[in-house]
Amino acid sequence: SQQGEEDPQALSIQEGENATMNCSYKTSINNLQWYRQNSGRGLVHLILIRSNEREKHSGRLRVTLDTSKKSSSLLITASRAADTASYFCATTSGSARQLTFGSGTQLTVLP
Amino acid sequence: EAGVAQSPRYKIIEKRQSVAFWCNPISGHATLYWYQQILGQGPKLLIQFQNNGVVDDSQLPKDRFSAERLKGVDSTLKIQPAKLEDSAVYLCASSPIMTLPLSYNEQFFGPGTRLTVL
Repeated sequence: SQQGEEDPQALSIQEGENATMNCSYKTSINNLQWYRQNSGRGLVHLILIRSNEREKHSGRLRVTLDTSKKSSSLLITASRAADTASYFCATTSGSARQLTFGSGTQLTVLP
Repeated sequence: EAGVAQSPRYKIIEKRQSVAFWCNPISGHATLYWYQQILGQGPKLLIQFQNNGVVDDSQLPKDRFSAERLKGVDSTLKIQPAKLEDSAVYLCASSPIMTLPLSYNEQFFGPGTRLTVL
């Protein structure tokens, strides 16, 4: 079963704008990861944030985590057409090393 | 470094037929995962191997799905017989062995096999 929900399901923006995607989950977690999936391709790991961290940056990516609200957000700044893809959050919890994925946000960046 | 390889990339079969997918993980990766991704949804774990042993297959429909990783390297996933609802992309992923139980495990995904059951 899916661990959480992502919001919005679809997002369309102009190149250069910022894109924000949200992820909510249900159980306590060890860490939360974000993955990108281009159409017809496998998933690519973007960034990981541990449960004791609140914010993390990587290039144009900024991830926040609020464990009290069981939610995370992914911000992509200065978006490019090449950022067009589906973005998934995934969590690990307990002693398991498996990832449980959300339902994804389809991001379209218009040139 | 070569990535995770999967074949075939596409497969179309009729219901009640059998199908098999192959995955070759990144060299040296001890852990291998098979996921099912239905259109519009996130991937769902079917089975996880550590070397040639099964770690978790709780979400594998064992009446029709089977998977093996006999030599602890490449793996096959089989569906027999297929149903319409098995139409999905089947993703294989691998990750290195973890020495600490709570260490994060970045998973490296293959391109997937898109299965269409008619």
